[in-house]
Amino acid sequence: GIQVEQSPPDLILQEGANSTLRCNFSDSVNNLQWFHQNPWGQLINLFYIPSGTKQNGRLSATTVATERYSLLYISSSQTTDSGVYFCAGTGTSYGKLTFGQGTILTVHP
Amino acid sequence: SQTIHQWPATLVQPVGSPLSLECTVEGTSNPNLYWYRQAAGRGLQLLFYSVGIGQISSEVPQNLSASRPQDRQFILSSKKLLLSDSGFYLCAWSQLAVYGYTFGSGTRLTVV
Repeated sequence: GIQVEQSPPDLILQEGANSTLRCNFSDSVNNLQWFHQNPWGQLINLFYIPSGTKQNGRLSATTVATERYSLLYISSSQTTDSGVYFCAGTGTSYGKLTFGQGTILTVHP
Repeated sequence: SQTIHQWPATLVQPVGSPLSLECTVEGTSNPNLYWYRQAAGRGLQLLFYSVGIGQISSEVPQNLSASRPQDRQFILSSKKLLLSDSGFYLCAWSQLAVYGYTFGSGTRLTVV
């Protein structure tokens, strides 16, 4: 199956700072999603982005499928952005979602 | 709109006791259903997936089993829990595996 590598593993920011999270895939992916896991453990779907660029408020994501990577941008970070960010993709048409190890984001006031 | 329900939210069970976690999806038909586990740390590991009633595929050998008695119901079970079964269990669904995945709120299982 595909391998998913996320960087950085940990990120500490001051409120108001911008950040970029990266996700690399070992092979082509048919689907790609970014999730935010909140302190209660729930996985919140941020973007479904197999290719191209999407924006939702202060968050945006870009996937370059041909180069097998995706980026998540967080602008003007807030303390509520803290948590773990996962990217995940499927390597077959079946669709078993494989996760990266996540980026732990801590935003200080 | 589609919703996914998972319960219970937390569970503390003694070693050797049985387990049954339930997941149901509303607002869609014939979804693909998944059980994931997140152990201490970060990674999510796929345990089981199902593309239809009675069709279950296991990803890793373990002490757990899954069943899909109805189209939108997915159950994770164990006959005898082990300490190593502790973790955070998440159910998910997707439609044709091409429109993204939606996760339930999870069950935090502690085996004591």
